[in-house]
Amino acid sequence: GNSVTQMEGPVTLSEEAFLTINCTYTATGYPSLFWYVQYPGEGLQLLLKATKADDKGSNKGFEATYRKETTSFHLEKGSVQVSDSAVYFCALSSGGYQKVTFGIGTKLQVIP
Amino acid sequence: DAGVIQSPRHEVTEMGQEVTLRCKPISGHNSLFWYRQTMMRGLELLIYFNNNVPIDDSGMPEDRFSAKMPNASFSTLKIQPSEPRDSAVYFCASSLGEALDTQYFGPGTRLTVL
Repeated sequence: GNSVTQMEGPVTLSEEAFLTINCTYTATGYPSLFWYVQYPGEGLQLLLKATKADDKGSNKGFEATYRKETTSFHLEKGSVQVSDSAVYFCALSSGGYQKVTFGIGTKLQVIP
Repeated sequence: DAGVIQSPRHEVTEMGQEVTLRCKPISGHNSLFWYRQTMMRGLELLIYFNNNVPIDDSGMPEDRFSAKMPNASFSTLKIQPSEPRDSAVYFCASSLGEALDTQYFGPGTRLTVL
């Protein structure tokens, strides 16, 4: 079956530091890959996505590249802000009816 | 546009009581999902509907849990009887229903069973 593995958090960074959150996956076929973000007290919201190999998703300064050869979709940001403090979920979807498999989530804390 | 609406936002109940969680998806969305989030197990898909029909309920923990979608604008998740281990945040999400569309999550219902 499908699965997503994320690095365990929490990750604590100083403001303006470089961020990488690792994500690898196992799936049949050619899944689409997503990063969702959950701010405190809120539901998840889509951050970015990529639908085929070598695609790069980007939003709000975050980027992730779909690497089929390494089955990875690592999230990066060049300079984090305090407002980026949240939980980040890697996810994949393959097949019909959009059933999405989520990773465990990685908590990011950015300190001033 | 209003997003996904869930009610109540918080629910505290005693073991053995019936609990009903409610969800109003975004208008025009054809798919609806119920998730449960806990520290121990992360985010789990309980059930999802497409065009009001349950497609996959394999994530429903046991017979104490049931979900309905009587029309395109309303869904309920019921737990009867509730147990302390059901304490979690329950999210409803909806999407247009096309392949690979974004899921839009509601704010969640925090359930505490004493």
